Amino acid sequence: GAGVSQSPSNKVTEKGKDVELRCDPISGHTALYWYRQSLGQGLEFLIYFQGNSAPDKSGLPSDRFSAERTGGSVSTLTIQRTQQEDSAVYLCASSPLSGYQETQYFGPGTRLLVL
Amino acid sequence: EDQVTQSPEALRLQEGESSSLNCSYTVSGLRGLFWYRQDPGKGPEFLFTLYSAGEEKEKERLKATLTKKESFLHITAPKPEDSATYLCAVQATGGGTSYGKLTFGQGTILTVHP
Repeated sequence: GAGVSQSPSNKVTEKGKDVELRCDPISGHTALYWYRQSLGQGLEFLIYFQGNSAPDKSGLPSDRFSAERTGGSVSTLTIQRTQQEDSAVYLCASSPLSGYQETQYFGPGTRLLVL
Repeated sequence: EDQVTQSPEALRLQEGESSSLNCSYTVSGLRGLFWYRQDPGKGPEFLFTLYSAGEEKEKERLKATLTKKESFLHITAPKPEDSATYLCAVQATGGGTSYGKLTFGQGTILTVHP
């Protein structure tokens, strides 16, 4: 079946612009996670959705970052007033139910470059 | 704070030369330890989940083991197509606040030469 998809695959933007990154999880998966992978930092957790609610936003690095999920499916991560340090690969993952002890299946990522 | 340390950072092997990758972890309580493989330009691909000390899992040339402090990924007679970055991650119990998030190590870059 179809895996997790993300769009765009690559995004180049200018400092100060807003960007939106999209994630389509595996159909039927309730739990959805956003992670960021940057050079020297490894993979870092950003936010967790259970259905449409986000009980854990503890990984968002600043208030410029926000995310929403609608219809229990598609999620959008928005970065406002982008900075060069936001350049990274943004990865989305989904799992069937709560995420506890469940495999998280990752998408291919969106590579963001802020000039 | 949950911590995961992987070693070595990079490993070069000749085809057929077996070796092991290490993942040391510190968590308040372990819900699960996950191994992923990541190829350049792609997202992590799931390999194994281990839940309790003493558990072992195998898949083709790979075998993962778990103790209370660390996990090993053993690679037997590797082939060039096994070249990738191998990531280890832990999921902690963390009371009611962890919500299943994964804490990752920095990864081990494996290169297998023909």
